Amino acid sequence: SQQGEEDPQALSIQEGENATMNCSYKTSINNLQWYRQNSGRGLVHLILIRSNEREKHSGRLRVTLDTSKKSSSLLITASRAADTASYFCATDGGGGADGLTFGKGTHLIIQP
Amino acid sequence: GAVVSQHPSRVICKSGTSVKIECRSLDFQATTMFWYRQFPKKSLMLMATSNEGSKATYEQGVEKDKFLINHASLTLSTLTVTSAHPEDSSFYICSASRASGTWDTQYFGPGTRLTVL
Repeated sequence: SQQGEEDPQALSIQEGENATMNCSYKTSINNLQWYRQNSGRGLVHLILIRSNEREKHSGRLRVTLDTSKKSSSLLITASRAADTASYFCATDGGGGADGLTFGKGTHLIIQP
Repeated sequence: GAVVSQHPSRVICKSGTSVKIECRSLDFQATTMFWYRQFPKKSLMLMATSNEGSKATYEQGVEKDKFLINHASLTLSTLTVTSAHPEDSSFYICSASRASGTWDTQYFGPGTRLTVL
C-alpha cells in the first residue's frame, strides 16, 4: 500500500503567519485529502483534491498537488491559535470504496 | 448530514476481556465502513474494510480472529477486540462511505479510546 509522509513532523509558528505542510506518497492515486485532528479527537476533513487537479482553495486553506512528483502541500494562511492540531494527508488506493492510507502527520503549534 | 458516531468514546477493561465498539452512520446508509487504529502520536492505520452483509477484509498483519468485525446493517458496524491485552490499547476510529464501486467521501467517527489494564 502507498504511504503518505508529511514534513515537517512538527511546526511551530507565530499567530498570523502562514503554515506550509508537505506530503509525499508513493503510488498512483485518485484523490488526496487533508485532515485535521485535535489532540485525542476524531478527524476533521479539510479538503480533497483530485488527481487531475493542481490547486484547490477553501477559505484560508490552499492545497496543491503535483502528481509528477507525487507530492502535495497544504498552506494555512493567517494562522490562528485554533489551528493548533495535527494535520494528515491521506490517499485512496484507487476506485471504489478503499480505505485511506494516512501520512505520519505534521503537528502544528500556533504561538499566540 | 453525514454524521458518524462511535460508542463508547472511552473504555477501560482488564486484560483478557473482550470489548465491543460500535460505529453508526446516523443520517445515511453506509455500504462500506472502515476501521482504523491510531497509537499515541502516530498516524492512523487501516485495519479492515467492512461491507454490509459480507465478511470484512483485513489489512496485512491484522489478526481477524482478534479483531472481529460485523457489519450487519447499512448503519452499523461493530469491532470486537477479543481477549484484549495492554498492547491493544489504542485509539480506534471508524469511517463510513456511501459508495459501492464509485468513490465517495469517508466520514469519520469521533473515535474510541481503549485502555487495557
